[in-house]
Amino acid sequence: GQNIDQPTEMTATEGAIVQINCTYQTSGFNGLFWYQQHAGEAPTFLSYNVLDGLEEKGRFSSFLSRSKGYSYLLLKELQMKDSASYLCAVNYPYDYKLSFGAGTTVTVRA
Amino acid sequence: GAGVSQSPSNKVTEKGKDVELRCDPISGHTALYWYRQSLGQGLEFLIYFQGNSAPDKSGLPSDRFSAERTGGSVSTLTIQRTQQEDSAVYLCASSLPGQEYNEQFFGPGTRLTVL
Repeated sequence: GQNIDQPTEMTATEGAIVQINCTYQTSGFNGLFWYQQHAGEAPTFLSYNVLDGLEEKGRFSSFLSRSKGYSYLLLKELQMKDSASYLCAVNYPYDYKLSFGAGTTVTVRA
Repeated sequence: GAGVSQSPSNKVTEKGKDVELRCDPISGHTALYWYRQSLGQGLEFLIYFQGNSAPDKSGLPSDRFSAERTGGSVSTLTIQRTQQEDSAVYLCASSLPGQEYNEQFFGPGTRLTVL
């Protein structure tokens, strides 16, 4: 299996930075995705990493290290609307389905 | 046009009854996926359709689950003889074909409760 692990919950203060780690015991995956899911809503795409390194997109950045078997999603300048679950997922070559971790619920407090 | 839509948004049924869940993908998206999200669990892959190819049914948990996609567009997920452990949110997603980097666009889901 792919054993994708994420922390269950994280809490941070508005304006702060939070780093959500995703570790996996799998190899040969094609790329790693991060999705955001607000309570009761559909997951929405945040980022995709196929190469090692940092991908920055506004306040959100995603990092991948295949050799170390982990990724992280970095949320900067946290806003209340960032309170949501963040889902880490991978896919495999010639296989389009996504394999998800259980998600990390981030709560932003004033 | 509009995003992925699913119906119904909520479904409460009695154990042993059959249910049908519907998904309308984004127009032009030939790839369609069904996932299940149980409380506290990650999204679990169920089935994948791509154009006219045979579907990937490798995630269906039992033979009580089936899905079809008519005309390459709308899909229906059917659960026969529902059990309490089938209670979950069923999410549908669609994407463009032909790429392994394929952003999947998710619908709002159907919350199924089996009493």
